[in-house]
Amino acid sequence: DTGVSQDPRHKITKRGQNVTFRCDPISEHNRLYWYRQTLGQGPEFLTYFQNEAQLEKSRLLSDRFSAERPKGSFSTLEIQRTEQGDSAMYLCASSLGAGGFPGNTIYFGEGSWLTVV
Amino acid sequence: QKEVEQDPGPLSVPEGAIVSLNCTYSNSAFQYFMWYRQYSRKGPELLMYTYSSGNKEDGRFTAQVDKSSKYISLFIRDSQPSDSATYLCAMSVGGANNLFFGTGTRLTVIP
Repeated sequence: DTGVSQDPRHKITKRGQNVTFRCDPISEHNRLYWYRQTLGQGPEFLTYFQNEAQLEKSRLLSDRFSAERPKGSFSTLEIQRTEQGDSAMYLCASSLGAGGFPGNTIYFGEGSWLTVV
Repeated sequence: QKEVEQDPGPLSVPEGAIVSLNCTYSNSAFQYFMWYRQYSRKGPELLMYTYSSGNKEDGRFTAQVDKSSKYISLFIRDSQPSDSATYLCAMSVGGANNLFFGTGTRLTVIP
C-alpha cells in the first residue's frame, strides 16, 4: 500500500494522559498536513510541514499539541494532558507540492480515532 | 459564520436518481474547489477538482462552480448504492496549504 499510513487507528486514553500519533506520507510527497475531524463536522486544518519545517499552525493547535517531522519523512502529533474535548479523528495528509494547486492533490490517510474518557 | 456552509442532510434517494449536493462560501479569495467522498470511519478521498468558475465532468459526476454567487455543486447521475457516503466540499486560496471544508452531506442511495 503506497498511500498515507497512520498509526494507531484507534486510541482510548484517560483524561490527563499523553498520546502520540504517527503518520507516514506518500514517499515522494514533501508536504504533510494534520487535520482534526469531529463527528458531524468536516476536517479542520491544524498544521503543515514542508519537508522538516513546520510552516503553518492553526489557532486550533493549542500549547498541548506538538507536531514534528524530524527528517522530512514521517511525522508525529503528540497531545499532552488530554482533555475530553480532544476526542476526534486526527487525519494526516500529504501532497507533492502546494496543496490546492492543480496536480498537487492532497491525499488523506484513514485517520487515527482518539477517545478520551 | 463559517467560511464554508454545507447542508448536512441526511439525504436519501432511490437508486438511479440524480443527486445534487451544494456548498456556499463567504471568502471571495477561494479559487480552488474540491469534492471529497468519505466512507464511514475512513479518510476523505478526492472525487473532483475544479479551478475558478465553470463545469467539470468525470463519468457520472459533474462539479459546478459559480464564483459570482459563491456557490458550488456536485451532481451525481444514475446514483448507485455504492455512492452512499458523506460528501465534503473543500476549497482553498491560491498558494495556500490549508483546505477549508464544509460539514459534509451524508448521502444514502436506496437499492
